[in-house]
Amino acid sequence: NAGVTQTPKFQVLKTGQSMTLQCAQDMNHNSMYWYRQDPGMGLRLIYYSASEGTTDKGEVPNGYNVSRLNKREFSLRLESAAPSQTSVYFCASSTSQGNYGYTFGSGTRLTVV
Amino acid sequence: SQQGEEDPQALSIQEGENATMNCSYKTSINNLQWYRQNSGRGLVHLILIRSNEREKHSGRLRVTLDTSKKSSSLLITASRAADTASYFCATDAWTSGSRLTFGEGTQLTVNP
Repeated sequence: NAGVTQTPKFQVLKTGQSMTLQCAQDMNHNSMYWYRQDPGMGLRLIYYSASEGTTDKGEVPNGYNVSRLNKREFSLRLESAAPSQTSVYFCASSTSQGNYGYTFGSGTRLTVV
Repeated sequence: SQQGEEDPQALSIQEGENATMNCSYKTSINNLQWYRQNSGRGLVHLILIRSNEREKHSGRLRVTLDTSKKSSSLLITASRAADTASYFCATDAWTSGSRLTFGEGTQLTVNP
């Protein structure tokens, strides 16, 4: 099925550990995004990639890095996880102008202990 | 900071009733979008309304946009239990490309 695939779905990390969240889309979209969602809050943009080869910071980039590996894949890396990064992470993709809305993955639920 | 603010935060209605959710935002926008999120799932795009449009329909959904008041509303008619979900408005205010800013959402419960 066409869409956005995120792995893993669940992860528990110890403080200070690192990990990479993977995201891949097969809709030939140019733009990709990483958001985090915390209880009682909407989604906050961490990083985005307007097109292959470009990445930019969003609203809450501290503690994260990203890689746009190719047009399909956009990964999010936590170098040294902190409890404040406990959240649900969503990857999304869209056309360059977003005129048809975003397509979201099913999310990664991350707990940092 | 959040661009959009939804009202109410929570809404509980009976099946068959209409549900209305409101969204206010702060800056000029290119378009405004509504998304649904079922518990534990990703967001699903429902409808997009451009800044030069005032009303849009899609099935049982009706969206209005008032740019002078910087507000939008989502009406779901003849609600069903399956409409139980969180609903988010998101604004696209960027002149180049697309970056959505989401509100905090309205939790809708439709009781059978």
